[in-house]
Amino acid sequence: NAGVTQTPKFQVLKTGQSMTLQCAQDMNHEYMSWYRQDPGMGLRLIHYSVGAGITDQGEVPNGYNVSRSTTEDFPLRLLSAAPSQTSVYFCASSYQTRADEAFFGQGTRLTVV
Amino acid sequence: AQSVAQPEDQVNVAEGNPLTVKCTYSVSGNPYLFWYVQYPNRGLQFLLKYITGDNLVKGSYGFEAEFNKSQTSFHLKNPSALVSDSALYFCAVSLTPADRGSTLGRLYFGRGTQLTVWP
Repeated sequence: NAGVTQTPKFQVLKTGQSMTLQCAQDMNHEYMSWYRQDPGMGLRLIHYSVGAGITDQGEVPNGYNVSRSTTEDFPLRLLSAAPSQTSVYFCASSYQTRADEAFFGQGTRLTVV
Repeated sequence: AQSVAQPEDQVNVAEGNPLTVKCTYSVSGNPYLFWYVQYPNRGLQFLLKYITGDNLVKGSYGFEAEFNKSQTSFHLKNPSALVSDSALYFCAVSLTPADRGSTLGRLYFGRGTQLTVWP
């Protein structure tokens, strides 16, 4: 049982480049989400999904795209990287109840130059 | 709009002393409440939660939290801090779908409180 696995752990991009952050979970969780963490800002929700084929926007969705083709995987795509997207990104998963805790990946530290 | 407030960006305590990390919330309905901890260069880890019942909930590593409905607070406490407790602590709430269209499973986080325990 690996939990939530994120790759890569570190990434440097040039402005305008695109990339995909991978997230996979092996707990059969319905709910998956992506957050970005910036100093003094806490965690801000980017996108989330309540099941395969269903995604929705969070607080800060601009510049990001997601899809959920399987229960296990929830990749986050940066369409055209900007310096403002320099951040630490976390993927999380949980059962879709409000009583169950979320499990977080180790994070991806992204720098856009 | 629902919100979670952690009024202190930093809390500093000496090892062996009690600690409190504060959390207040402003939401409609009856939220479920969580505390998560983040150690340096790691993801968030679940610490404890309040669903219903006893207002004092116990979690991992000697931590506990007290739910106070009238004050809409859920403060995290530890009677004897350890240097290894130094980390970033997040309070979070989970709402029902009836609460302003919230999605079941979605968490709303506070901004975090950096706890430093010195030897």
